Amino acid sequence: AQSVTQLDSHVSVSEGTPVLLRCNYSSSYSPSLFWYVQHPNKGLQLLLKYTSAATLVKGINGFEAEFKKSETSFHLTKPSAHMSDAAEYFCAEGSGSARQLTFGSGTQLTVLP
Amino acid sequence: DAGVIQSPRHEVTEMGQEVTLRCKPISGHDYLFWYRQTMMRGLELLIYFNNNVPIDDSGMPEDRFSAKMPNASFSTLKIQPSEPRDSAVYFCASSFLVQNTIYFGEGSWLTVV
Repeated sequence: AQSVTQLDSHVSVSEGTPVLLRCNYSSSYSPSLFWYVQHPNKGLQLLLKYTSAATLVKGINGFEAEFKKSETSFHLTKPSAHMSDAAEYFCAEGSGSARQLTFGSGTQLTVLP
Repeated sequence: DAGVIQSPRHEVTEMGQEVTLRCKPISGHDYLFWYRQTMMRGLELLIYFNNNVPIDDSGMPEDRFSAKMPNASFSTLKIQPSEPRDSAVYFCASSFLVQNTIYFGEGSWLTVV
């Protein structure tokens, strides 16, 4: 069974500094990987996805993620944090006949003024 | 385009009552998913449908939970009788398999007292 590990439950950064949210996946084959964001009391919004095309994936709101097979990682980055980025971020892997998602436990991002 | 639409957005009910959550998937999508989000267990898949047929309900916690999809544009998740431990956010999501992207609704916040 797939497992997705988000290495940090909480990350705090200052506004204007880089963001790094870490994610490791378990699949041995080429996975489908996703990052979703959840703002307070809101649903899950897709930030970006990797589906075996370019290893560097660009998403919305300036976020990027790099797929590294050798490290089984799919870390999310942003060069400069904005206050509006404060939210919970979920890494997920799609698998099975429906490409159903297995989620990591989430990383709460705090952006300090 | 309208996204996945869920109702009610918030529900507070007493233990023992029946709860029905509703979902309208994105038009044209062939898969529908029900997820539950709790602090203890994170995001977990309860059940999913393909072309209105339930495919995998192994995530449904117990017989008190049931889900139906009578047509391509409507699904329900029912809890009868409800218990306080069912308090959670229930997300409906849908996808068109070839696009390999799952879109989530805003969620139904359920509190059982």
